[in-house]
Amino acid sequence: AAGVIQSPRHLIKEKRETATLKCYPIPRHDTVYWYQQGPGQDPQFLISFYEKMQSDKGSIPDRFSAQQFSDYHSELNMSSLELGDSALYFCASSSTEFHYEQYFGPGTRLTVT
Amino acid sequence: GQQVMQIPQYQHVQEGEDFTTYCNSSTTLSNIQWYKQRPGGHPVFLIQLVKSGEVKKQKRLTFQFGEAKKNSSLHITATQTTDVGTYFCAGRGGTTTDSWGKLQFGAGTQVVVTP
Repeated sequence: AAGVIQSPRHLIKEKRETATLKCYPIPRHDTVYWYQQGPGQDPQFLISFYEKMQSDKGSIPDRFSAQQFSDYHSELNMSSLELGDSALYFCASSSTEFHYEQYFGPGTRLTVT
Repeated sequence: GQQVMQIPQYQHVQEGEDFTTYCNSSTTLSNIQWYKQRPGGHPVFLIQLVKSGEVKKQKRLTFQFGEAKKNSSLHITATQTTDVGTYFCAGRGGTTTDSWGKLQFGAGTQVVVTP
């Protein structure tokens, strides 16, 4: 079965640089979520989109922005990167048909040096 | 705001033993989900509980949702080495079953199994 695809899987950036993470949800899933997970931490919700519209917002810094495109893929844009942004970034998708059970992608490991 | 607390943070289990991890919310939940994350992996959906007092079983795993819909538990019997990982509960607020408010994850219970 198709799963959530995230790219890149690993990314190394320097402080003050920008990064773009991409997420391709499971086909026919209508909701995409972004999470940030620090070492030994639980996933922290950043933002979600339902049918290409922002549906909820969590602890996403102002330096970050995200959008969902017409083909349902989503991008998380991160600017003015800080050392503390180093983390695993997960994208998850869900379907209203299946009561919002979230299926996570493999994650993008971002390292800011 | 809604907070989801999970205990214990760590659980060392001898292979073959049982254990339980508990999840408590400061507010009433519309539903609760459980995920398992293996070391180096991503969270994998296990189950969703929606109804007050609901109990669901998956082989050796038993999930319960409290009557007040503010707490939940995961009980694993006859633990195996394949049960290693971190188990997260994640609660969703709101008043309707299909509320799609954001999921609030608990801190997770990291399970280590000793052969």
